[in-house]
Amino acid sequence: AQSVTQLGSHVSVSEGALVLLRCNYSSSVPPYLFWYVQYPNQGLQLLLKYTTGATLVKGINGFEAEFKKSETSFHLTKPSAHMSDAAEYFCAVSVSNYKLTFGKGTLLTVNP
Amino acid sequence: EAGVAQSPRYKIIEKRQSVAFWCNPISGHATLYWYQQILGQGPKLLIQFQNNGVVDDSQLPKDRFSAERLKGVDSTLKIQPAKLEDSAVYLCASSLGPAGVNEQFFGPGTRLTVL
Repeated sequence: AQSVTQLGSHVSVSEGALVLLRCNYSSSVPPYLFWYVQYPNQGLQLLLKYTTGATLVKGINGFEAEFKKSETSFHLTKPSAHMSDAAEYFCAVSVSNYKLTFGKGTLLTVNP
Repeated sequence: EAGVAQSPRYKIIEKRQSVAFWCNPISGHATLYWYQQILGQGPKLLIQFQNNGVVDDSQLPKDRFSAERLKGVDSTLKIQPAKLEDSAVYLCASSLGPAGVNEQFFGPGTRLTVL
Protein backbone atom coordinates (compact mmCIF):
# COMPACT_ATOMS: atom_id res chain seq x y z
CA ALA A 1 0.00 0.00 0.00
CA GLN A 2 1.12 3.54 -0.68
CA SER A 3 1.40 6.27 1.94
CA VAL A 4 2.76 9.77 2.42
CA THR A 5 4.24 11.45 5.48
CA GLN A 6 4.61 15.19 5.63
CA LEU A 7 7.03 16.27 8.33
CA GLY A 8 5.78 19.33 10.14
CA SER A 9 2.13 20.32 10.16
CA HIS A 10 3.09 24.00 10.31
CA VAL A 11 6.10 25.80 8.85
CA SER A 12 6.73 29.49 9.39
CA VAL A 13 9.26 31.50 7.36
CA SER A 14 10.11 35.14 6.82
CA GLU A 15 9.42 36.82 3.51
CA GLY A 16 12.44 36.27 1.26
CA ALA A 17 13.63 33.19 3.15
CA LEU A 18 13.99 29.68 1.80
CA VAL A 19 10.89 27.51 1.88
CA LEU A 20 11.40 23.80 2.57
CA LEU A 21 8.43 21.47 3.00
CA ARG A 22 9.25 17.83 3.61
CA CYS A 23 7.55 14.78 2.17
CA ASN A 24 8.44 11.11 2.45
CA TYR A 25 6.55 8.37 0.71
CA SER A 26 6.14 4.63 0.94
CA SER A 27 5.47 2.58 -2.16
CA SER A 28 6.36 -0.91 -3.31
CA VAL A 29 6.51 0.17 -6.96
CA PRO A 30 7.85 3.31 -8.67
CA PRO A 31 5.49 6.10 -7.72
CA TYR A 32 4.12 9.23 -9.27
CA LEU A 33 4.52 12.12 -6.81
CA PHE A 34 2.67 15.40 -6.56
CA TRP A 35 2.54 18.63 -4.61
CA TYR A 36 -0.75 20.52 -4.38
CA VAL A 37 -1.49 23.90 -2.82
CA GLN A 38 -4.77 24.87 -1.19
CA TYR A 39 -5.69 28.46 -0.45
CA PRO A 40 -8.44 29.18 2.12
CA ASN A 41 -11.90 28.16 0.96
CA GLN A 42 -10.60 26.91 -2.35
CA GLY A 43 -9.91 23.56 -3.95
CA LEU A 44 -6.48 22.09 -4.52
CA GLN A 45 -4.22 23.29 -7.31
CA LEU A 46 -1.37 21.25 -8.76
CA LEU A 47 2.05 22.81 -8.15
CA LEU A 48 4.20 20.13 -9.77
CA LYS A 49 4.45 16.41 -10.36
CA TYR A 50 7.08 13.73 -10.90
CA THR A 51 6.27 10.81 -13.15
CA THR A 52 9.48 9.61 -14.82
CA GLY A 53 12.71 11.12 -16.13
CA ALA A 54 14.41 14.12 -14.58
CA THR A 55 14.32 13.93 -10.81
CA LEU A 56 14.33 17.70 -10.30
CA VAL A 57 10.89 18.98 -11.16
CA LYS A 58 9.99 22.63 -11.60
CA GLY A 59 6.50 23.83 -10.96
CA ILE A 60 4.45 26.98 -10.89
CA ASN A 61 5.13 30.04 -8.74
CA GLY A 62 8.86 29.30 -8.48
CA PHE A 63 8.52 26.02 -6.61
CA GLU A 64 10.55 22.91 -7.34
CA ALA A 65 10.93 19.44 -5.87
CA GLU A 66 13.50 16.69 -6.15
CA PHE A 67 12.67 13.00 -6.26
CA LYS A 68 15.22 11.04 -4.23
CA LYS A 69 14.54 7.34 -4.52
CA SER A 70 17.25 6.34 -2.02
CA GLU A 71 15.69 8.57 0.61
CA THR A 72 12.07 7.98 -0.51
CA SER A 73 11.64 11.74 -0.38
CA PHE A 74 10.05 14.46 -2.51
CA HIS A 75 10.71 17.70 -0.65
CA LEU A 76 9.30 20.98 -1.96
CA THR A 77 11.46 24.10 -2.06
CA LYS A 78 11.34 27.72 -3.09
CA PRO A 79 14.38 29.97 -2.80
CA SER A 80 12.56 33.08 -1.66
CA ALA A 81 9.17 33.09 0.06
CA HIS A 82 6.51 35.59 -0.86
CA MET A 83 3.51 36.61 1.20
CA SER A 84 1.25 35.10 -1.45
CA ASP A 85 2.79 31.65 -0.79
CA ALA A 86 0.95 31.40 2.52
CA ALA A 87 -1.35 28.39 2.11
CA GLU A 88 -1.62 24.69 2.91
CA TYR A 89 0.52 22.31 0.91
CA PHE A 90 -0.21 18.65 0.30
CA CYS A 91 2.11 15.95 -0.96
CA ALA A 92 0.47 13.01 -2.74
CA VAL A 93 1.52 9.68 -4.21
CA SER A 94 0.00 7.55 -6.93
CA VAL A 95 1.07 4.12 -8.11
CA SER A 96 0.06 2.11 -11.15
CA ASN A 97 -1.66 5.14 -12.67
CA TYR A 98 -4.32 4.90 -10.03
CA LYS A 99 -5.73 6.89 -7.11
CA LEU A 100 -3.95 9.63 -5.20
CA THR A 101 -3.08 9.21 -1.54
CA PHE A 102 -2.52 12.53 0.21
CA GLY A 103 -0.46 13.48 3.21
CA LYS A 104 -1.98 15.42 6.09
CA GLY A 105 -0.72 18.74 4.79
CA THR A 106 1.68 21.46 5.91
CA LEU A 107 0.43 24.94 6.64
CA LEU A 108 2.94 27.53 5.44
CA THR A 109 2.94 30.91 7.14
CA VAL A 110 4.99 33.76 5.67
CA ASN A 111 5.92 36.57 8.03
CA PRO A 112 6.66 40.09 6.77
CA GLU B 1 -12.11 26.85 -19.83
CA ALA B 2 -14.59 26.53 -16.98
CA GLY B 3 -13.39 24.70 -13.90
CA VAL B 4 -15.05 22.09 -11.76
CA ALA B 5 -18.28 23.45 -10.32
CA GLN B 6 -19.76 22.37 -6.99
CA SER B 7 -22.87 23.32 -5.09
CA PRO B 8 -23.79 24.23 -2.50
CA ARG B 9 -20.65 25.81 -1.09
CA TYR B 10 -21.83 25.50 2.49
CA LYS B 11 -24.40 23.33 4.19
CA ILE B 12 -25.44 23.02 7.82
CA ILE B 13 -27.70 20.15 8.87
CA GLU B 14 -28.60 18.25 12.01
CA LYS B 15 -27.53 14.68 12.58
CA ARG B 16 -29.77 12.05 11.03
CA GLN B 17 -30.83 14.43 8.27
CA SER B 18 -29.94 13.80 4.66
CA VAL B 19 -27.90 15.99 2.33
CA ALA B 20 -26.80 15.97 -1.30
CA PHE B 21 -23.91 17.60 -3.09
CA TRP B 22 -23.64 18.27 -6.80
CA CYS B 23 -20.60 18.37 -9.05
CA ASN B 24 -20.19 19.39 -12.68
CA PRO B 25 -16.74 18.37 -13.98
CA ILE B 26 -14.71 20.01 -16.70
CA SER B 27 -16.18 19.26 -20.10
CA GLY B 28 -14.69 16.14 -21.65
CA HIS B 29 -13.18 14.78 -18.46
CA ALA B 30 -13.94 11.09 -18.23
CA THR B 31 -12.79 10.55 -14.66
CA LEU B 32 -14.55 12.09 -11.66
CA TYR B 33 -13.58 11.84 -8.01
CA TRP B 34 -15.23 12.66 -4.69
CA TYR B 35 -12.95 13.32 -1.74
CA GLN B 36 -13.67 13.93 1.94
CA GLN B 37 -11.34 16.39 3.67
CA ILE B 38 -11.68 16.47 7.45
CA LEU B 39 -10.19 19.48 9.21
CA GLY B 40 -6.46 19.02 9.68
CA GLN B 41 -6.18 16.12 7.26
CA GLY B 42 -5.51 15.56 3.61
CA PRO B 43 -8.27 14.65 1.18
CA LYS B 44 -9.42 11.03 1.28
CA LEU B 45 -10.84 9.45 -1.86
CA LEU B 46 -14.43 8.31 -1.39
CA ILE B 47 -15.30 7.23 -4.91
CA GLN B 48 -13.88 7.38 -8.42
CA PHE B 49 -15.91 7.18 -11.62
CA GLN B 50 -14.67 6.41 -15.11
CA ASN B 51 -17.42 7.79 -17.35
CA ASN B 52 -20.52 6.54 -15.53
CA GLY B 53 -18.96 3.42 -14.04
CA VAL B 54 -17.46 3.09 -10.55
CA VAL B 55 -13.72 2.37 -10.53
CA ASP B 56 -13.08 2.52 -6.79
CA ASP B 57 -15.48 2.97 -3.89
CA SER B 58 -13.52 1.03 -1.30
CA GLN B 59 -13.51 3.92 1.20
CA LEU B 60 -17.12 4.97 0.73
CA PRO B 61 -19.27 4.21 3.81
CA LYS B 62 -21.95 2.52 1.77
CA ASP B 63 -24.41 2.22 4.64
CA ARG B 64 -24.96 5.97 4.53
CA PHE B 65 -23.14 7.40 1.49
CA SER B 66 -24.17 6.97 -2.12
CA ALA B 67 -23.00 8.55 -5.35
CA GLU B 68 -24.02 8.47 -8.97
CA ARG B 69 -22.81 9.93 -12.19
CA LEU B 70 -25.66 10.18 -14.62
CA LYS B 71 -24.74 9.98 -18.29
CA GLY B 72 -21.07 10.20 -17.41
CA VAL B 73 -21.15 13.94 -16.75
CA ASP B 74 -22.62 15.48 -13.56
CA SER B 75 -22.40 13.66 -10.27
CA THR B 76 -24.27 13.69 -6.99
CA LEU B 77 -23.01 12.55 -3.59
CA LYS B 78 -25.61 11.84 -0.93
CA ILE B 79 -25.38 11.21 2.80
CA GLN B 80 -28.37 9.64 4.56
CA PRO B 81 -28.48 9.79 7.54
CA ALA B 82 -25.67 12.17 8.45
CA LYS B 83 -23.51 11.72 11.52
CA LEU B 84 -21.46 14.26 13.43
CA GLU B 85 -18.24 12.78 12.06
CA ASP B 86 -19.36 13.56 8.51
CA SER B 87 -18.54 17.22 9.11
CA ALA B 88 -15.91 17.93 6.48
CA VAL B 89 -15.24 19.57 3.15
CA TYR B 90 -16.34 17.44 0.21
CA LEU B 91 -14.20 18.00 -2.84
CA CYS B 92 -15.01 16.99 -6.37
CA ALA B 93 -12.26 16.61 -8.94
CA SER B 94 -12.04 15.56 -12.55
CA SER B 95 -9.37 14.49 -15.01
CA LEU B 96 -9.13 13.47 -18.65
CA GLY B 97 -8.20 9.95 -17.65
CA PRO B 98 -7.11 7.91 -14.64
CA ALA B 99 -5.10 9.52 -11.82
CA GLY B 100 -1.34 9.71 -12.02
CA VAL B 101 -0.32 10.92 -15.45
CA ASN B 102 -3.54 12.90 -15.82
CA GLU B 103 -3.81 16.03 -13.70
CA GLN B 104 -6.78 16.23 -11.38
CA PHE B 105 -8.61 19.55 -11.30
CA PHE B 106 -10.44 20.30 -8.07
CA GLY B 107 -13.60 22.21 -7.40
CA PRO B 108 -13.90 24.67 -4.48
CA GLY B 109 -15.60 22.11 -2.27
CA THR B 110 -18.74 21.96 -0.15
CA ARG B 111 -18.25 22.56 3.55
CA LEU B 112 -20.67 20.40 5.52
CA THR B 113 -21.37 21.00 9.19
CA VAL B 114 -23.41 18.39 11.03
CA LEU B 115 -24.85 19.57 14.37
